[in-house]
Amino acid sequence: GDSVTQMEGPVTLSEEAFLTINCTYTATGYPSLFWYVQYPGEGLQLLLKATKADDKGSNKGFEATYRKETTSFHLEKGSVQVSDSAVYFCALSAIFGNEKLTFGTGTRLTIIP
Amino acid sequence: EPEVTQTPSHQVTQMGQEVILRCVPISNHLYFYWYRQILGQKVEFLVSFYNNEISEKSEIFDDQFSVERPDGSNFTLKIRSTKLEDSAMYFCASSELTSGGNEQFFGPGTRLTVL
Repeated sequence: GDSVTQMEGPVTLSEEAFLTINCTYTATGYPSLFWYVQYPGEGLQLLLKATKADDKGSNKGFEATYRKETTSFHLEKGSVQVSDSAVYFCALSAIFGNEKLTFGTGTRLTIIP
Repeated sequence: EPEVTQTPSHQVTQMGQEVILRCVPISNHLYFYWYRQILGQKVEFLVSFYNNEISEKSEIFDDQFSVERPDGSNFTLKIRSTKLEDSAMYFCASSELTSGGNEQFFGPGTRLTVL
């Protein structure tokens, strides 16, 4: 079945550091790929998505590129802020229809001033 | 901005008791979902619901679980006889009908503790 493997956490970085959170997937066909973020005490929010190979999703300075050849969707940000401290989830769903999301384990990110 | 709400935020119950977790999805959404996250583990799909019936369910969603949309706004998850291993955070989500790459909007979750 479909699965998502995500970089283990927790990750602690200093403010303005470069961030990479690795995500690889296994799926039949060509899934849609997502990054969700969960801030303390809140629900999961969509951060960005990509629906086909070589698409780049971006939002709030975060980027991820759908790499079919390496089945990856790594999350990057050039300069993190304290407000980026949260748990980040990589997820996939089938390309067609309102399919379920399959999540990775989540990566807790803490940014220190 | 419209949002998904869930009540209660935290539910404590005794093993064997029935619990009902409530969700109010975004009003124009047509697809509804329940997920759960056991502490320290990944978010797992339980069930999806469309047009007043279950469209997909996982192997976790056994006969002890049921979902209902009792009126035009609420979407509920019932666990008939709770077990210790049902302790988890339960998330409700909703989405518009779409042809693919749909964004699911999540509620803040209900933390269920079974004693």
